[in-house]
Amino acid sequence: DGGITQSPKYLFRKEGQNVTLSCEQNLNHDAMYWYRQDPGQGLRLIYYSQIVNDFQKGDIAEGYSVSREKKESFPLTVTSAQKNPTAFYLCASTDRSYGYTFGSGTRLTVV
Amino acid sequence: DAKTTQPTSMDCAEGRAANLPCNHSTISGNEYVYWYRQIHSQGPQYIIHGLKNNETNEMASLIITEDRKSSTLILPHATLRDTAVYYCIVRVVETSGSRLTFGEGTQLTVNP
Repeated sequence: DGGITQSPKYLFRKEGQNVTLSCEQNLNHDAMYWYRQDPGQGLRLIYYSQIVNDFQKGDIAEGYSVSREKKESFPLTVTSAQKNPTAFYLCASTDRSYGYTFGSGTRLTVV
Repeated sequence: DAKTTQPTSMDCAEGRAANLPCNHSTISGNEYVYWYRQIHSQGPQYIIHGLKNNETNEMASLIITEDRKSSTLILPHATLRDTAVYYCIVRVVETSGSRLTFGEGTQLTVNP
């Protein structure tokens, strides 16, 4: 079945460490997105990419980095510069002719 | 960006219709209205979208007012599994593509 796979489902990070969240899709979608969600709040856009080797900052890009070397993959790195990284992270993709498809999310906790 | 306003929470009895309102008074002519829902700790699920006309699919109906300043999502026969946060979103179209901007949504609770 086509879809988006995010891994890991749960991730624990020590303060000062960088961590990378994986997002893979087999939907042949051009555009991919990363959102952050804090408890009781809506989703906020971190980064998005419309095509391979190109990406744009969203509303809260500081402390995050991305790459888009392959159409299927859009990994997100949470760097040590992100002061409050504990959150639920969601990846999405779209071919723009239909709705967005979301992954099941990664819950990141700083310990 | 056109912003949306939704009630924070709503309740509905199982088997009855759930009508979820959304205001988007600053929407521009080429912006679509999208609805998604999110069950706790899962990724949002696409429900329906529309531009001007009313839309219906197997999940729901979308009613958009003639002036496009508000819309209503209708779940015709709500079940307990419809309990979720429902997001009304206006699609922002930029030169580099499009993206969805989420508000805080409406927590719908379907009661037995």
